[in-house]
Amino acid sequence: RKEVEQDPGPFNVPEGATVAFNCTYSNSASQSFFWYRQDCRKEPKLLMSVYSSGNEDGRFTAQLNRASQYISLLIRDSKLSDSATYLCVVNRALLSSASKIIFGSGTRLSIRP
Amino acid sequence: SQTIHQWPATLVQPVGSPLSLECTVEGTSNPNLYWYRQAAGRGLQLLFYSVGIGQISSEVPQNLSASRPQDRQFILSSKKLLLSDSGFYLCAWSVRGAAGTDTQYFGPGTRLTVL
Repeated sequence: RKEVEQDPGPFNVPEGATVAFNCTYSNSASQSFFWYRQDCRKEPKLLMSVYSSGNEDGRFTAQLNRASQYISLLIRDSKLSDSATYLCVVNRALLSSASKIIFGSGTRLSIRP
Repeated sequence: SQTIHQWPATLVQPVGSPLSLECTVEGTSNPNLYWYRQAAGRGLQLLFYSVGIGQISSEVPQNLSASRPQDRQFILSSKKLLLSDSGFYLCAWSVRGAAGTDTQYFGPGTRLTVL
């Protein structure tokens, strides 16, 4: 079983739709959580951190449920520019003060006009 | 502000040839540094991490090695490339702080094709 699981998609939705991504993680020692966005043939870029209280950044809302080890991302009023692969990421401590980031395999999103 | 550079951007190498990829970070001191590989259509795999000059930890056994000769320089090497070494190599940095809570930022990556 993968440590971080995501629905691979692809999700193909019309512009203006609301899209929800889900992610589960298996290691309860995970300490921090993120959503990254990766465009085709580009590096991953941080979209937002995820907190238990839930957090919002414009059209994006992220939620964390530590008890069920579940992370979500909601995109409202989707734009063509939202088309990308969305990576669920968990972070836990390694020895020697470094961190290990575990990436989900990503969910592809395609927004159509 | 901090920036991270990687070069070359793309590389095509024959099987059995050596490899050297370089990553440098500007605008920060004592960063943690990381090398990842992303094979075609797959997720990111952590290869090496470093918490200081000369300190390298390997996550998976493989044909590659890493070195950190300076605080903000991280090098990925191989003596003899294999076909399976093809992929997208990403360097990342994070602020040295509480492990497990830092955010990693990625360089633009090097796309390596081994023929």
